[in-house]
Amino acid sequence: DTGVSQDPRHKITKRGQNVTFRCDPISEHNRLYWYRQTLGQGPEFLTYFQNEAQLEKSRLLSDRFSAERPKGSFSTLEIQRTEQGDSAMYLCASSAPGLAGGPEETQYFGPGTRLLVL
Amino acid sequence: DAKTTQPPSMDCAEGRAANLPCNHSTISGNEYVYWYRQIHSQGPQYIIHGLKNNETNEMASLIITEDRKSSTLILPHATLRDTAVYYCIVRLLIFGNEKLTFGTGTRLTIIP
Repeated sequence: DTGVSQDPRHKITKRGQNVTFRCDPISEHNRLYWYRQTLGQGPEFLTYFQNEAQLEKSRLLSDRFSAERPKGSFSTLEIQRTEQGDSAMYLCASSAPGLAGGPEETQYFGPGTRLLVL
Repeated sequence: DAKTTQPPSMDCAEGRAANLPCNHSTISGNEYVYWYRQIHSQGPQYIIHGLKNNETNEMASLIITEDRKSSTLILPHATLRDTAVYYCIVRLLIFGNEKLTFGTGTRLTIIP
């Protein structure tokens, strides 16, 4: 178990540019989540995949944001035309179904990608 | 998911037990209590969760009151590495309710 990994760990970009982040979940975890965290606040849910299907999207996920998980393994989060308000830590988590396929499961988080939009 | 209330900050002496309270007075019967912590500049780390009974693992103990309206996370022998923000989350474990709803947590500082 190598844990959830995220790349890059830090990204500085200019307003208006596009950025893409990658998340590699724990092997065999079929669920993958994206959260966003701004300074002084707890993480906020953005979206969630089960295998390659995107099952839920938060209202926080504007049209400029798109997430994919094409083969049910790694995922990417793209932000188009970045704005200064997009500056935040972007966190990825993964989980596997609980015993007997029940809903009791634990989400394990990666180290995050810190984005700064100038 | 039920709302939780935590003190914004707490201090604890190194080597002592750290007791972190959480109020969740509107919790429903099938909502679980989860605890995560976040050390500075890292992703949240799962600690423990429970439904009704007290739970213990290698990291901590979770004490849930009989009426389930509050709980306490206990770190039995706090070390400097336990300095972090601790989040108490109440979550209805049903398919389709997968997200975690974090509040602002308790910033725990372990004092040497």
